[in-house]
Order: sequence, then C-alpha cells, then structure tokens
Amino acid sequence: SAVISQKPSRDICQRGTSLTIQCQVDSQVTMMFWYRQQPGQSLTLIATANQGSEATYESGFVIDKFPISRPNLTFSTLTVSNMSPEDSSIYLCSVDSAGWGSNYGYTFGSGTRLTVV
Amino acid sequence: QKEVEQNSGPLSVPEGAIASLNCTYSDRGSQSFFWYRQYSGKSPELIMFIYSNGDKEDGRFTAQLNKASQYVSLLIRDSQPSDSATYLCAVKDSYKLIFGSGTRLLVRP
Repeated sequence: SAVISQKPSRDICQRGTSLTIQCQVDSQVTMMFWYRQQPGQSLTLIATANQGSEATYESGFVIDKFPISRPNLTFSTLTVSNMSPEDSSIYLCSVDSAGWGSNYGYTFGSGTRLTVV
Repeated sequence: QKEVEQNSGPLSVPEGAIASLNCTYSDRGSQSFFWYRQYSGKSPELIMFIYSNGDKEDGRFTAQLNKASQYVSLLIRDSQPSDSATYLCAVKDSYKLIFGSGTRLLVRP
C-alpha cells in the first residue's frame, strides 16, 4: 500500500491565523481525502482532492475555510484558515492506494494534531 | 444522510477471550465494508475489508457481513492486551468512506 508523509505532525496556533498541512504520497493516486477527527470523535470527511480540478467539499465544509491544493498526483495541501479554538482537531489525509474504485480500503497519513489557542 | 452506527463501549474482555465488535449501516445498497484499528494518538490502520455475505478470516480476525440485516461485525480471537484500541467500522459510499464513531476495546491481562 501507499506510504503517506504528512506534516507538520503537530502545531499550536494563535486564533485568527492559518495553517497549511502537507501530504506527500510515494505513488501516484487519483484521489486524496482530507478528514478531521475532533477529540474523542470519529473521522469526518472534509473534502476530496482531485488533480486538475477543484476539490469536492462535504456538507458543512467550505473552500474559504479549508482551501485545498492538488498540484500533482502525489501531493496535496489543506489550509485551515482564520482558525478558532473549535478547529482544534487531528487532520488526516488519506488515499485509495490500490487505485480508483478499489475495495481495498484507504491508507491514512500519520495526522496533524492542531491546537488553536 | 448515510449512517454507520457502533456502540462506543468500552468493551472489556479478559486476555484470551473472543472480542465481538458490531456495526450497523443505513444504506441497503452499500457494498464494501472496512474495519480499522486506531491506537490512542495514532492514525487508523486497516485491518480487514469484506464485501461478500458471510465470514472472512485473517489470522485472529474474522469479519462477518450480513447484508440482509445490514450489519457487519469483527471477531478477535485469543484477544491480547495489545489489541486494546478503538475499532472503527467504515462503509464505502461511492468513492469515499463513512466512519462509525468507533468501539473502544479493553483487553484485561
């Protein structure tokens, strides 16, 4: 399966600032997914990033707050903008490493633990 | 809104016992199902996937799927303290995964 490098692993940020999280995959993948995991909660999909097109956002998430870039088939960034304490979460990128439409499940990066103070 | 339901637990079992984790889903048309294990402070790790009715075994893990009743379960045989973690059930909706809230498993030595 694909190996995903995600950084930073953690950060403490001031409210009102922005943080960009990077996700690098060791192979080309069609789709990359960005999830959020709030403390004690499960994973919620923020958006799906496709190379060459705008990201597809889930209900409750908007591009102005979570802009995403996908410049090539191995890299994506998620920015958390104008942060508030409610944005304190773990952010995870994920890929379908076996290819688009596979049934083999997705692989996750190590996550970014964000604390907003 | 498609939903995946799990009992949050904790489920506590003694070492060596069978741990049984259950998950129900709302979309009768769902085809692919996944179990992830997540240790505290770590990212989810895929354990099993299943898409045919019946049982699928991999080592100490068995996934069971019953599409008519819309549930999927995970059995862990000979549970070890190292199995203590949160187990997340996920269902594939088109190209994305929808996760349940997870069941916390505690294996007592």
